[in-house]
Amino acid sequence: DAGVTQSPTHLIKTRGQQVTLRCSPKSGHDTVSWYQQALGQGPQFIFQYYEEEERQRGNFPDRFSGHQFPNYSSELNVNALLLGDSALYLCASSLTHRKGYTFGSGTRLTVV
Amino acid sequence: AQKITQTQPGMFVQEKEAVTLDCTYDTSDQSYGLFWYKQPSSGEMIFLIYQGSYDEQNATEGRYSLNFQKARKSANLVISASQLGDSAMYFCAMRPLYNFNKFYFGSGTKLNVKP
Repeated sequence: DAGVTQSPTHLIKTRGQQVTLRCSPKSGHDTVSWYQQALGQGPQFIFQYYEEEERQRGNFPDRFSGHQFPNYSSELNVNALLLGDSALYLCASSLTHRKGYTFGSGTRLTVV
Repeated sequence: AQKITQTQPGMFVQEKEAVTLDCTYDTSDQSYGLFWYKQPSSGEMIFLIYQGSYDEQNATEGRYSLNFQKARKSANLVISASQLGDSAMYFCAMRPLYNFNKFYFGSGTKLNVKP
């Protein structure tokens, strides 16, 4: 049973560019959350998707947007990249209203 | 507002010894869950243990136990019989039970197990 799959694993982008990160949730999970983890810090909540809609959002600018597809997979898009967007981006999936979350291994984004 | 504090940026422990990783939290919520996650260098967050705010007994999962002191708002992780594979970052996290949507994480503790 595959867990949460994220792609790509590593990515280097130039300041001002746009990036798309992808996440496939664990089989049976219908909810996807995205977190940003800057170096040396704990993960920070970006947003959560359920039934193809953004259900809740953390304190992140509109440059960060997302999407959830009918198969529950999700994308995180970041526009106009800044150097400060360099981080590990973690995806976590769950079955809504249940406690258990499963995290992926993340996408490490470097903005130069 | 929710806040998780981990005051130990780094810890060393001898193999086979026990170690305690500290976590305090600040919340006005009455119902919440406390979690500990392990993050090896690969990046994946691995769930270790869960404690509900209304659970009367401290949670245990194999070599992991959670020392929950509700009045002090602390939820320390105890790892018994440390192994070399325990070397990793450890994060304490809280999630309000009315809101399954988001975790609040601490800044983490880097644990190094010495042979």
